[in-house]
Amino acid sequence: QKEVEQDPGPLSVPEGAIVSLNCTYSNSAFQYFMWYRQYSRKGPELLMYTYSSGNKEDGRFTAQVDKSSKYISLFIRDSQPSDSATYLCAMSVGGGSYIPTFGRGTSLIVHP
Amino acid sequence: EPEVTQTPSHQVTQMGQEVILRCVPISNHLYFYWYRQILGQKVEFLVSFYNNEISEKSEIFDDQFSVERPDGSNFTLKIRSTKLEDSAMYFCASSEGLGTSGAMEQYFGPGTRLTVT
Repeated sequence: QKEVEQDPGPLSVPEGAIVSLNCTYSNSAFQYFMWYRQYSRKGPELLMYTYSSGNKEDGRFTAQVDKSSKYISLFIRDSQPSDSATYLCAMSVGGGSYIPTFGRGTSLIVHP
Repeated sequence: EPEVTQTPSHQVTQMGQEVILRCVPISNHLYFYWYRQILGQKVEFLVSFYNNEISEKSEIFDDQFSVERPDGSNFTLKIRSTKLEDSAMYFCASSEGLGTSGAMEQYFGPGTRLTVT
């Protein structure tokens, strides 16, 4: 069973839509959950991270973690064409090692 | 805004040749990393480096790989004898390494695309 699963998409939405991106994982030792954004021909950029279960909001972005279901989500409100990118979820166990284990990434296209 | 830079942006080499990929991390960062991303696949951790030594490495980082901080600004990844399967995008990253947020917030460079023929 793969550690981190993420649907590669592409996910195509109209401008202004609410976007939901999701990952599942199998390793119950993961404590830190991250979302990265990667534009074409660029390196990943950390958007936000959360510790353990719960929600975290940053502007138009909300990250949710449900450890009981081993399921994490990233919601993007009022999506913009500039949000078009690949979104990578990543997780780490913490406790001195914050090396992320990445998902494959979901390609998001927001069309005007 | 400070950023991680990498050179070259694209490297083509023949199988069996040695390559060196170069990175300049953000100046006040203490931890340095290399990742690779084979086309269409996940970003994979290779190695982390702190205080002039390897702090963690993955199974991918075998004897054909080495890292070095030859001076106060550069961080390099050497692949001794390249194989076809080494073709990938290689990303360098750095982090402050101070506290949880400092360790979590890794800043990635734009990558070097390595093509082994």
